[in-house]
Amino acid sequence: DQQVKQNSPSLSVQEGRISILNCDYTNSMFDYFLWYKKYPAEGPTFLISISSIKDKNEDGRFTVFLNKSAKHLSLHIVPSQPGDSAVYFCAARFSGAGSYQLTFGKGTKLSVIP
Amino acid sequence: DGGITQSPKYLFRKEGQNVTLSCEQNLNHDAMYWYRQDPGQGLRLIYYSQIVNDFQKGDIAEGYSVSREKKESFPLTVTSAQKNPTAFYLCASSLSDRAGELFFGEGSRLTVL
Repeated sequence: DQQVKQNSPSLSVQEGRISILNCDYTNSMFDYFLWYKKYPAEGPTFLISISSIKDKNEDGRFTVFLNKSAKHLSLHIVPSQPGDSAVYFCAARFSGAGSYQLTFGKGTKLSVIP
Repeated sequence: DGGITQSPKYLFRKEGQNVTLSCEQNLNHDAMYWYRQDPGQGLRLIYYSQIVNDFQKGDIAEGYSVSREKKESFPLTVTSAQKNPTAFYLCASSLSDRAGELFFGEGSRLTVL
């Protein structure tokens, strides 16, 4: 049973436009959410995170939005650049004893077209 | 430069053989992790260690073993009991108070022939 779902395996966006990557979760006990970016044959790199006490977190071109009632989060990239082409993983965790265990989605492959 | 080093990058093994994947970090992180990635799948946690000489099973620990004798090192042994060991293995580390923000190595691809 997937607790973190990324329903779009792939997404194509024109350079300069907005990329929106979506993630849904089923476990209401998750209270911290993260996005990772992964290039082929490399390990993922941490991108941005959000705590459940917030509904938005921004870092440069990247903004993560959290809708707790809908159990949904999204990553916005504005403007999109060709170097953003990668697989993006959404991840979630609990506080306390479960804080070391991240649950990952299956990823969305973003292609930014020049 | 600080980082995580995994070796070997590619490894081939015959069925029935154990194999050990190395993971070393010089970030002075207390916590270390092993994840497995299969094609089209997310990352799944195999084992993690919060401190030296202590480790816990993750979601898919069966057929794997680990040790944490030094802060810098967290080797993973894929045993012959692991039924489907061909995968991409990722080691990571983190600060204890930022346990979700993982620093990953470049991965080791294991192929069982």
